[in-house]
Amino acid sequence: DAGVIQSPRHEVTEMGQEVTLRCKPISGHNSLFWYRQTMMRGLELLIYFNNNVPIDDSGMPEDRFSAKMPNASFSTLKIQPSEPRDSAVYFCASSPASLETQYFGPGTRLLVL
Amino acid sequence: QKEVEQNSGPLSVPEGAIASLNCTYSDRGSQSFFWYRQYSGKSPELIMFIYSNGDKEDGRFTAQLNKASQYVSLLIRDSQPSDSATYLCAVGGSQGNLIFGKGTKLSVKP
Repeated sequence: DAGVIQSPRHEVTEMGQEVTLRCKPISGHNSLFWYRQTMMRGLELLIYFNNNVPIDDSGMPEDRFSAKMPNASFSTLKIQPSEPRDSAVYFCASSPASLETQYFGPGTRLLVL
Repeated sequence: QKEVEQNSGPLSVPEGAIASLNCTYSDRGSQSFFWYRQYSGKSPELIMFIYSNGDKEDGRFTAQLNKASQYVSLLIRDSQPSDSATYLCAVGGSQGNLIFGKGTKLSVKP
């Protein structure tokens, strides 16, 4: 079975540009999570969805960040405009109904110059 | 603010020894606890989960939970160089989310 799929795997962009990260959760999983990981702050939860509905976006750093989940098989995380401090690894994870075990995608390494 | 605390390490143990990783959490109502392993440059992968007080064993790994003291630990027996990684402790939140610690870096020396 395919795991969580993320794209792109690497992204290098210039400050001020829009960045869109994509995630396809494991089929049948009803919860999806977006994380950001840096050396300084560790793994931070940005937002998560249950059945395509955003449940908690308190981890989203500011209005420059937005996330959508238009259907059960696709989610996006958008940063507009991007800033150098957004450079990090962004992970998407999914979990099945009634279980808290999360399965992580390979991550997107973002570098904003 | 619910918190999960781990010693950042690095924790260095010789090959064949027992590695002991510890984690404390702030929310006394937490019911589920997870250990993830993350190799450098890779994504976290689940090793074990535990819900009840006591020990849970899976191969060389043993998770220990003490809810009264609000700590959970992971023991790795017969440590191998391939166990060298960062180990993340996670605690279940109230809405199906997980709260992660910052991880402990383990180094197993041949």
